Amino acid sequence: GDSVTQMEGPVTLSEEAFLTINCTYTATGYPSLFWYVQYPGEGLQLLLKATKADDKGSNKGFEATYRKETTSFHLEKGSVQVSDSAVYFCALSEYRGGSNYKLTFGKGTLLTVNP
Amino acid sequence: KAGVTQTPRYLIKTRGQQVTLSCSPISGHRSVSWYQQTPGQGLQFLFEYFSETQRNKGNFPGRFSGRQFSNSRSEMNVSTLELGDSALYLCASSLRGEIAGLGNTGELFFGEGSRLTVL
Repeated sequence: GDSVTQMEGPVTLSEEAFLTINCTYTATGYPSLFWYVQYPGEGLQLLLKATKADDKGSNKGFEATYRKETTSFHLEKGSVQVSDSAVYFCALSEYRGGSNYKLTFGKGTLLTVNP
Repeated sequence: KAGVTQTPRYLIKTRGQQVTLSCSPISGHRSVSWYQQTPGQGLQFLFEYFSETQRNKGNFPGRFSGRQFSNSRSEMNVSTLELGDSALYLCASSLRGEIAGLGNTGELFFGEGSRLTVL
């Protein structure tokens, strides 16, 4: 079945450092890929998404490119801020006909950014 | 517009009891999904409802059940609680399945969750 594997955390960086959180997936077809973020005490919110190969999703300085050849969707940001401290989830959604739209999530990566 | 509202935010139960959690989706959203979040297993899909019908179900035992009302509000119930049911239960609403072409790309809007502790 579908699965998502993302790098184990926690990740601790200094402000203005470069961030990469790796994400690879397994799917039988052509899934849509997502990054969700969960700030402390809050629910998840969509950060960015890509719906087909070579698409680049971007938002708030974060970027991720849908790489079908490597089945990857790595999250990057050039210069992190303290306010980026959160848990980041990679997810996929593969349409299987009918009305099956569930998301499969990775286990999450905790990012802590120190001033 | 108001976001997804979950109640209660926190609750403590003992083994063997049952619990009901409530979720009010964003106005106009008819799809409501439930997820269980634990440190060990991460986010796991429980089920999804659309227009009062369950249209997807995850791999959870029958003790976990849900329903959706005509106003799209949803409840999930866990009977005969076990210690391992302690988790953050997240509800999400979306427009999936309602807009042509949106398909499986539609955003899920999550509530803040109901944190259940089973003693």
